[in-house]
Amino acid sequence: QVQLVESGGGLVKSGGSLRLTCKTSGFIFSHYYMGWVRQAPGKGLDYVSYIGSSSGFKNYADSVEGRFTISRDNTKNLVYLEMNSLRAEDTGLYYCARGRDYTNSSAYNWFDSWGQGILVTVSS
Amino acid sequence: EIPMIQFPSSVSASVGGTVTITCRAPQSIARWLAWYQHKPGKAPKMLIYDASTLKSGVPSRFSGSGFGTEFSLTISNLRPEDVGTYYCQQSDNFPLTFGGGTKVEIK
Repeated sequence: QVQLVESGGGLVKSGGSLRLTCKTSGFIFSHYYMGWVRQAPGKGLDYVSYIGSSSGFKNYADSVEGRFTISRDNTKNLVYLEMNSLRAEDTGLYYCARGRDYTNSSAYNWFDSWGQGILVTVSS
Repeated sequence: EIPMIQFPSSVSASVGGTVTITCRAPQSIARWLAWYQHKPGKAPKMLIYDASTLKSGVPSRFSGSGFGTEFSLTISNLRPEDVGTYYCQQSDNFPLTFGGGTKVEIK
């Protein structure tokens, strides 16, 4: 079955950096776009970033553009989120999510499987 | 960016009742809308995509409708396990955006 497991979260000071990793299994990783979605304490779901199946496409929310970098390793079935210049408002639970299957012409950019999330806390 | 307006922010109904949640887009997104259910401490779960297509394994008491700028999610025959927060998400334009969420409770 599809599994997504996030790691790399923790407590960091404002201005610091963290790298999140999402380990995936149970599907052909290289066929799928992958994304990150976060949830600040007491708030709703908030899109962070999205990467194409071969890394040719990358997109970011305006709030993280220039500070966060998404990447993937199709040989290891991993997706990463490098987070720099962290701010207090970046605090939250970060979810890794599976996006569209590029081999399926009817698929679109929704998230059909999600990890359990990893907590990132930025102290000011 | 396409801000998705979702309402109500919370709703309650009796077991066996019906709940309807609405999501609006400021411009047409055709049928490129998904609905998710999120329970505390759990991973979000996709329920519906393409505005009205039920994901495999999702109970048929969940249904979606709409096209263009207005969409709805209906939960019929509400069950206690349906308690949670529901979100819409547009996938027509980048950046992808979610609605603010609707908390569903049992009366």
